Amino acid sequence: QVHLVQSGADVKKPGASVKVSCKASGYTFAGYYIHWVRQAPGQGLEWMGWINPNTGDPNYSQKFQGRVTMTSDTSTSTAYMELGRLGFDDTAIFYCARDSGIYGYGTFDYWGQGTLITVSS
Amino acid sequence: DIQMTQSPSSLSASVGDRVTITCRASQSIASYLNWYRQKPGKAPELLIHTASSLQSGVPSRFTGSGSGTDFTLTISSLQPEDFATYFCQHSYSLPGTFGPGTKVEIK
Repeated sequence: QVHLVQSGADVKKPGASVKVSCKASGYTFAGYYIHWVRQAPGQGLEWMGWINPNTGDPNYSQKFQGRVTMTSDTSTSTAYMELGRLGFDDTAIFYCARDSGIYGYGTFDYWGQGTLITVSS
Repeated sequence: DIQMTQSPSSLSASVGDRVTITCRASQSIASYLNWYRQKPGKAPELLIHTASSLQSGVPSRFTGSGSGTDFTLTISSLQPEDFATYFCQHSYSLPGTFGPGTKVEIK
């Protein structure tokens, strides 16, 4: 049974960084890309980027380029997303999601439970 | 980037109703269109991939159709757990943008 379990909610000050983890189980971690998706309160879904756990290669949305770092650790089957220079408008739920790998560029068949990051002074 | 639009943005319906949601892409995406359901306070879940293929474990009351730029999600008989927000998303290229969502509310 595939599971993605994310780290808990956090509160950060403006200008700080946050690192969210996503621990996978129930499948071969290195075999599937992990994507990160952001959802601001009451808003839609925004793709942030992906990490290829097999190679460690990331691919970031232009919107977050220079501010986001995605990494993975195959020894613990965990993916990480670090977002820097946080602003108030970064308050959101961040999801990791597994790419099915066979239906184009990002069909998300399993999702983490989400991690609420609140940016507050 | 390919832009996705959905209509309606919200609708009210009753249990047992047939519901149809449409999604349009700003350019052809062939059949690289996915539908997700997001219940309140929960992560999205994949319902339909490649426009019309039912994801494993998803009830058959969900059907998807379309290709190119115009797509449809139909729920044949709305169930209590279907009162949620529905998002379309293309997987034709990066970034795989999502539609703004359609909120299905209880009438």
